[in-house]
Amino acid sequence: QVQLVQSGAEVKRPGASVKVTCKSSGYIFTDYYIHWVRQAPGQGLEWMGWSHPDSGRTKYAQKFQGRVTMTTDTSISTSYMELSSLRFDDTAIYYCARELVAGLDYWGQGTLVTVSS
Amino acid sequence: VVLTQSPGTLSLSPGERATLSCRASQNVNSNYLAWYRQKPGQPPSLLIYGASSRATGIPDRFSGSGSGTNFTLTISRLEPEDFAVYSCQQYGSLPYTFGQGTKLEI
Repeated sequence: QVQLVQSGAEVKRPGASVKVTCKSSGYIFTDYYIHWVRQAPGQGLEWMGWSHPDSGRTKYAQKFQGRVTMTTDTSISTSYMELSSLRFDDTAIYYCARELVAGLDYWGQGTLVTVSS
Repeated sequence: VVLTQSPGTLSLSPGERATLSCRASQNVNSNYLAWYRQKPGQPPSLLIYGASSRATGIPDRFSGSGSGTNFTLTISRLEPEDFAVYSCQQYGSLPYTFGQGTKLEI
């Protein structure tokens, strides 16, 4: 069965970086885009960008350009999202999800990132 | 593309029909519009893609319609598990934006 399993919760200081892991299984990893979406407490969903494991291409929302890096390691079917220069308003649950021109059909369980001094 | 969902909150009872709206600030390319349901403490789950196609395993009480800038999600007979937050998303042009969500409450 398709699964996307994310790394555990993180607490970071303002200005630090965080790297969230998303391990995929149960499907051909290189066939699907991996998207990253975040949700601040009590707020809606915010799309951050995608990476494509086969080509290595990435697309980021302009809001995160220069602060986010999305990478993949096809040898272990794992995707990574690194966000730098963290601010208090980066506190959110970060989700990975796969997509193939038909919506985001499988999601990770989410990773809570708390930015606190 | 800015997506505006209405209403913000919808209060209904089990067995009733729900109609949720998602309006786009410009045409959604190829009607690449998806709907998600999110229960508390869980990630979103895909209901509808391509504006009107049900995702795998989604019951036929869920239907999506619309094109261009106006889209609708209809739930014909509400079940207890349907009381949740619903979000639309366009994936026809970058950035792939979400609506702010509609809370469906009992």
